[in-house]
Amino acid sequence: SQQGEEDPQALSIQEGENATMNCSYKTSINNLQWYRQNSGRGLVHLILIRSNEREKHSGRLRVTLDTSKKSSSLLITASRAADTASYFCATDAYNDMRFGAGTRLTVKP
Amino acid sequence: DVKVTQSSRYLVKRTGEKVFLECVQDMDHENMFWYRQDPGLGLRLIYFSYDVKMKEKGDIPEGYSVSREKKERFSLILESASTNQTSMYLCASSLLGADYEQYFGPGTRLTVT
Repeated sequence: SQQGEEDPQALSIQEGENATMNCSYKTSINNLQWYRQNSGRGLVHLILIRSNEREKHSGRLRVTLDTSKKSSSLLITASRAADTASYFCATDAYNDMRFGAGTRLTVKP
Repeated sequence: DVKVTQSSRYLVKRTGEKVFLECVQDMDHENMFWYRQDPGLGLRLIYFSYDVKMKEKGDIPEGYSVSREKKERFSLILESASTNQTSMYLCASSLLGADYEQYFGPGTRLTVT
């Protein structure tokens, strides 16, 4: 069963703008991960944030985690057309990983 | 780089056929997973394995079986394919333990007619 739920389901922005995607979940987790999927391809891991961390950065990515609200957000700054993809959050509850349905991001040139 | 390969990118099979999907990883990972991905439903876990000859059911194991005879290879078997098994199938692997990412193969888009 799904654990994480991403919001919005779809997001369309112009190149150069920031994109924010949110993920909510229901149970306690060990860590939360974000993955990216280009159309018709496998998923690629972007970033992992542990339950005792609040914020993490990787290049143009910024992830926050609020365990009290059971939510996370992924921010992509200065978006590029190549960022067009689906983005999934995955909650890892002690080797039980669950994926959400994803946010479809379109970045227009 | 970790590489996870799947035997086919696209596959078309007829209802009732036995279907084998193969997955191979080259990084000596203990864990291997099979997911199916359908629009609006995200990834759903079919089976996973944490060691050779070990397997655990995921959320939707009905109509599927798996085989792991060697550490690097994890096979998904559709015993008698049905049209509702038309989907994208994704294989993944990871190290055993906490806080490890999963590495995915490119996926197999299976159509059952």
